[in-house]
Parts: sequence; structure tokens; C-alpha cells
Amino acid sequence: DAKTTQPPSMDCAEGRAANLPCNHSTISGNEYVYWYRQIHSQGPQYIIHGLKNNETNEMASLIITEDRKSSTLILPHATLRDTAVYYCIVRAYNAGNMLTFGGGTRLMVKP
Amino acid sequence: IAGITQAPTSQILAAGRRMTLRCTQDMRHNAMYWYRQDLGLGLRLIHYSNTAGTTGKGEVPDGYSVSRANTDDFPLTLASAVPSQTSVYFCASSEEQGARGYTFGSGTRLTVV
Repeated sequence: DAKTTQPPSMDCAEGRAANLPCNHSTISGNEYVYWYRQIHSQGPQYIIHGLKNNETNEMASLIITEDRKSSTLILPHATLRDTAVYYCIVRAYNAGNMLTFGGGTRLMVKP
Repeated sequence: IAGITQAPTSQILAAGRRMTLRCTQDMRHNAMYWYRQDLGLGLRLIHYSNTAGTTGKGEVPDGYSVSRANTDDFPLTLASAVPSQTSVYFCASSEEQGARGYTFGSGTRLTVV
């Protein structure tokens, strides 16, 4: 899996958009970008994934740069319940079973 | 509600004792996984199973064993627990080998004393 770099922590005001960056400069052509989050004491939760096109679902939007070396997860209207550690993971579609979690970004949504 | 059920939710275990953590899923996912998460750290893969009847070793398999007799169940056994196995254990599943998102259980908090 390609290595990812995320800021260790970020703050966001409630109701504002939270933009979480991830650098993956060594990403390969067949590797997807996955985002998960882990709310305190709970199991990680899948958010979204993409290959090269921007993606949107009911939880978030994923913006991938044209060169695919970085991406941004956007929570359009952050709430206090979005406070969590957010993990950016890059892996091939058929890479097998090693889903590797790095340090992630601890997002604190403040009132 | 479809998902993964882990049991017990927490356990205090004496060192040297045998313990089996249970994991059941009702989504008919082929692949299942066991991770451990130590305080303040990320998740590390212990063992996995691509389909019923097969298992494989992850990043930190020593001291643990698994079995996959059917699609739904994937128990994790500590044959002789040691204090370094104090951790939160998460079971997960996916439709294929990581092709889509993983679904995680709520975790088992294990303390070995």
C-alpha cells in the first residue's frame, strides 16, 4: 500500500465545512483512496473511496487531485458527532487483506 | 440491523488463561478480519479469512489463532494470554478482499492481568 501523510489534528467550527487533507505522492495507478473514521471507543466506519474522479455520498465528498498525489475529504456541515480520528488509506482494489491504518487526523468539531 | 456482533464487550483475564473472542456477521460477507488497537495507536491486522475454510496471518499473529468453519463466524483464540495482549480487539468483514468498505464490530476490550 502507498504511504499516506495526514496532519495529526485539526479543529473545525460546528456547521462549517471540514476539509481533511491527505498526501499520497507514491500512489500507483491501480490504487484507490479510502477514508474511514473512528469515533471514540467505536470500531472504524467506512466513509468513502475513489480512484481518480471526485466522489460524493451521504456522508462526505472526496476530491482527488488530477495527478492523484493528494486528496481531500470534505464534511460539508460538520457536527459535534463528526469529532473522530479520520484515516486516509491507499490500496489496490485486489491488494488482499492488509488494510493498513496510519495515525490519521484527529478532528475536533467545536461549538 | 445487519452488521457484526462481537462478544464479550469487555473482559479481564488472568495471564496464562485461554480466551476466545467471538465474532458473528449476518451480511454474508466472504472476508473477515481481526485487528487489535493499542491505546493511542492505529489498528494492526492479526489474522484474516478470505472465505469459509481458509485463514491467513496478518501483521501481528503470534499468540493468536483463528478458525472459519462457516461464513458467519470468525472466533479469535488466545491460547495462553499475556499482559502484552491487553488491547481492544475489532472484528471486521468485507464483501470481497477489501474491494469495498470494511464493516467493523464495536470491539472487545481485553485486559490481561
